[in-house]
Amino acid sequence: AQKITQTQPGMFVQEKEAVTLDCTYDTSDQSYGLFWYKQPSSGEMIFLIYQGSYDEQNATEGRYSLNFQKARKSANLVISASQLGDSAMYFCAYYRGDMRFGAGTRLTVKP
Amino acid sequence: DGGITQSPKYLFRKEGQNVTLSCEQNLNHDAMYWYRQDPGQGLRLIYYSQIVNDFQKGDIAEGYSVSREKKESFPLTVTSAQKNPTAFYLCASSIGPVRGGYTFGSGTRLTVV
Repeated sequence: AQKITQTQPGMFVQEKEAVTLDCTYDTSDQSYGLFWYKQPSSGEMIFLIYQGSYDEQNATEGRYSLNFQKARKSANLVISASQLGDSAMYFCAYYRGDMRFGAGTRLTVKP
Repeated sequence: DGGITQSPKYLFRKEGQNVTLSCEQNLNHDAMYWYRQDPGQGLRLIYYSQIVNDFQKGDIAEGYSVSREKKESFPLTVTSAQKNPTAFYLCASSIGPVRGGYTFGSGTRLTVV
């Protein structure tokens, strides 16, 4: 199974600042998808953003953008203008047939 | 509204007992998935089903069983063979092409007492 690595167990960011959450993956596949999910303390998984391996442009969804560097096998999530409600666990996931998740990063936004 | 319903939200089981977690979706999705999440960790794939009457083992299938008799339903049974079943269980579904990602249920928290 593909290995997805999130090296930051916890991150802190000041409200209104930007933050980057790291994600790297190990694969020999050429076609795959990369996802980011947010998990608040209530437990539900909220889809944030998707990047296809053949997409030439980095994905953006509102305040979320994905910094995709295919050669480096990295798919970092950038959250701009952090809000208190962004405090949650964030998971990177790799998809090819089924979805595999990283261990997650706990983001805390400070007022 | 379409979505995935997992029940119950909290479940307690005595050691040695089997227990079944329910997952129902009305999204007309072909594929369904079960994940396990332990505290402070990511999701690990237990079983998945791409079509009715067919399912495949994920990374941690031992001690679990599933069925897919209807498109809408994908129940997970945690058997007594699962040595450490206390965890948060998430069910998900997808239509196939996954640009929109999986749709997840709200989860079932299982505790062995």
